[in-house]
Amino acid sequence: DADVTQTPRNRITKTGKRIMLECSQTKGHDRMYWYRQDPGLGLRLIYYSFDVKDINKGEISDGYSVSRQAQAKFSLSLESAIPNQTALYFCATSVREGEKLFFGSGTQLSVL
Amino acid sequence: AQSVTQLGSHVSVSEGALVLLRCNYSSSVPPYLFWYVQYPNQGLQLLLKYTSAATLVKGINGFEAEFKKSETSFHLTKPSAHMSDAAEYFCAVTSSSNTGKLIFGQGTTLQVKP
Repeated sequence: DADVTQTPRNRITKTGKRIMLECSQTKGHDRMYWYRQDPGLGLRLIYYSFDVKDINKGEISDGYSVSRQAQAKFSLSLESAIPNQTALYFCATSVREGEKLFFGSGTQLSVL
Repeated sequence: AQSVTQLGSHVSVSEGALVLLRCNYSSSVPPYLFWYVQYPNQGLQLLLKYTSAATLVKGINGFEAEFKKSETSFHLTKPSAHMSDAAEYFCAVTSSSNTGKLIFGQGTTLQVKP
């Protein structure tokens, strides 16, 4: 089984819908991150969390919210999806600063 | 704030040729520099990491990168490309704040021709 699991793998939704992307990990890491990937822009940080009570905005948090339900679970929500949120979304974990990130396989989201 | 620039969104080499993927970071020296690789339909995997212990860093699959402070560069190289190296490559630096956040470059797609 994968250490960092994202569900769903693919999602098509309509403008205005609320959707949730889920991430769970078996690494036992405290730090979890949500990134989005767009062609030509690399990965940009949406939100990050250092523990259940510590959640922080990244560089592109507008239009998104997160929930850290447990050490192992970190969900990303789009309150009212819009087409420019169409992207590949990645969840990642790390044990501490400077250590590598472990990535999930990604969720491809399309907003029509 | 830290930033990183990858020169060339697409690089094409012949199998067996030298691979050179360029990465430049902003002027303040970051504590950590990384190269990640993304194969089609997969998440990112770490290739190598610079931690100031040595300027030449060896990674997996025959890749290495050299940290050059005078040039603010951390270019990735491999002496001989293999077809399986075709992927997208990302350079990343830790942010200035003590958060562990990674700032990623735009990515470079490597094509390897037979």
